[in-house]
Amino acid sequence: GENVEQHPSTLSVQEGDSAVIKCTYSDSASNYFPWYKQELGKGPQLIIDIRSNVGEKKDQRIAVTLNKTAKHFSLHITETQPEDSAVYFCAASIGSWGKLQFGAGTQVVVTP
Amino acid sequence: GAVVSQHPSRVICKSGTSVKIECRSLDFQATTMFWYRQFPKQSLMLMATSNEGSKATYEQGVEKDKFLINHASLTLSTLTVTSAHPEDSSFYICSAKPLRQGSTDTQYFGPGTRLTVL
Repeated sequence: GENVEQHPSTLSVQEGDSAVIKCTYSDSASNYFPWYKQELGKGPQLIIDIRSNVGEKKDQRIAVTLNKTAKHFSLHITETQPEDSAVYFCAASIGSWGKLQFGAGTQVVVTP
Repeated sequence: GAVVSQHPSRVICKSGTSVKIECRSLDFQATTMFWYRQFPKQSLMLMATSNEGSKATYEQGVEKDKFLINHASLTLSTLTVTSAHPEDSSFYICSAKPLRQGSTDTQYFGPGTRLTVL
């Protein structure tokens, strides 16, 4: 089955700096890669996603890149703000039902 | 748009009792809903895939007789934890995939239900 690895597990950045989270996946059949932000005690919130026919996608301060050959994808957050502090999860989707395999998560702390 | 609700948000029950959790897609129809369990400081673990009008498909290691899933309509799925025990205490989260052309993989998550079994 699919295996998704996510690094780093924790990331501390100064407000205004950039944050990068990297994920690798094992199944070359995976074709959809969402990123979720989860605040304490809440459900995950979709922040950006990318499909296998696209190499890069950007939405304001958030961008995602995908390297299908190397089977890795990354989340980039620029100009970080304290409200960006949360746990971020990457995921890969496979199969006709689109089941998601999640990475272990990255705790991002943005200090003012 | 794409709002998913869960009820209740938190529940405390005694060991041996059953607890039902509802998951609703409020502004879209969903043929497929998913149920996840999340332990503190861990990732989301898929428990089962629920398709409207058919039996749920459970992940390996998840007891289907203990975690009963019913997906009776295109906007409602329920998870019943039967004969709950303290080790079932966890954060249960559902997600739903909109029934529409394009974006067929996007899952929207509910706010989660905190279950504590005493």
